[in-house]
Amino acid sequence: DAKTTQPTSMDCAEGRAANLPCNHSTISGNEYVYWYRQIHSQGPQYIIHGLKNNETNEMASLIITEDRKSSTLILPHATLRDTAVYYCIVRGSNFGNEKLTFGTGTRLTIIP
Amino acid sequence: NAGVTQTPKFRVLKTGQSMTLLCAQDMNHEYMYWYRQDPGMGLRLIHYSVGEGTTAKGEVPDGYNVSRLKKQNFLLGLESAAPSQTSVYFCASSHREFRQPQHFGDGTRLSIL
Repeated sequence: DAKTTQPTSMDCAEGRAANLPCNHSTISGNEYVYWYRQIHSQGPQYIIHGLKNNETNEMASLIITEDRKSSTLILPHATLRDTAVYYCIVRGSNFGNEKLTFGTGTRLTIIP
Repeated sequence: NAGVTQTPKFRVLKTGQSMTLLCAQDMNHEYMYWYRQDPGMGLRLIHYSVGEGTTAKGEVPDGYNVSRLKKQNFLLGLESAAPSQTSVYFCASSHREFRQPQHFGDGTRLSIL
C-alpha cells in the first residue's frame, strides 16, 4: 500500500471548515483513499473514501487532486466533537490488501 | 444495532496467564480483523478472517491465536501472556467487497504485569 504523509497536528475554530491535507504521491491506479478518525480512546471511525472523484457524505467531503497524489478531507462546520486524530489511508482493492495501514495521523483540535 | 462489540473492555493479567478476547458483530459481515494499538503508534493487524472457519496472519501474529467458528464471532487468544502484549486491542469487521469500510469496536485495554 502507498505511504501517506499528514501534518502532525492542526487547530481549527469551531464553526469553521476544517481542511486536513494528505500526500500520497506513490499511489497506484487501483488504490483508494480512506479517511478514519479516532476520538480519544475509542475505536477508529470510518469517515469517507474515494478513488479519483470528489466524494461527499453526511460527515465530510473528500477532494482528490487530478493526479491523485494528494487529497483533502473537509469537515464543513467543525464542532468540538470533531476533535480527534484523523488518519488518511491508501488501500488497494485487490485480494491481499485486507489490512488498513494506520500511520500517526493528524491530531485535529477544534478551538471554541 | 450494536455493531462491533468487544468483551472484556479492560483486563489485567500476570505474565504467563492465558485469556481470550471476544469480538461479536451483528452486521452479517464476512471479514473480521484483530488489531493492536500501542502508545503513539497506529494500529497494526494481528490476524484476520475472510469467513467462517478461515483465518490468516497479519502483520504481528506472533504470540496470538484466533478462531472463527461462527460468522459473527472472532476470538483472539493469548496462550502465555507477556508484558510486550500490553496494548489496546481493536476488532473490526467489513463486508467482503474490498472497498467497503471496516467498522471498529471500542477496544479492549489489556495490561500484562
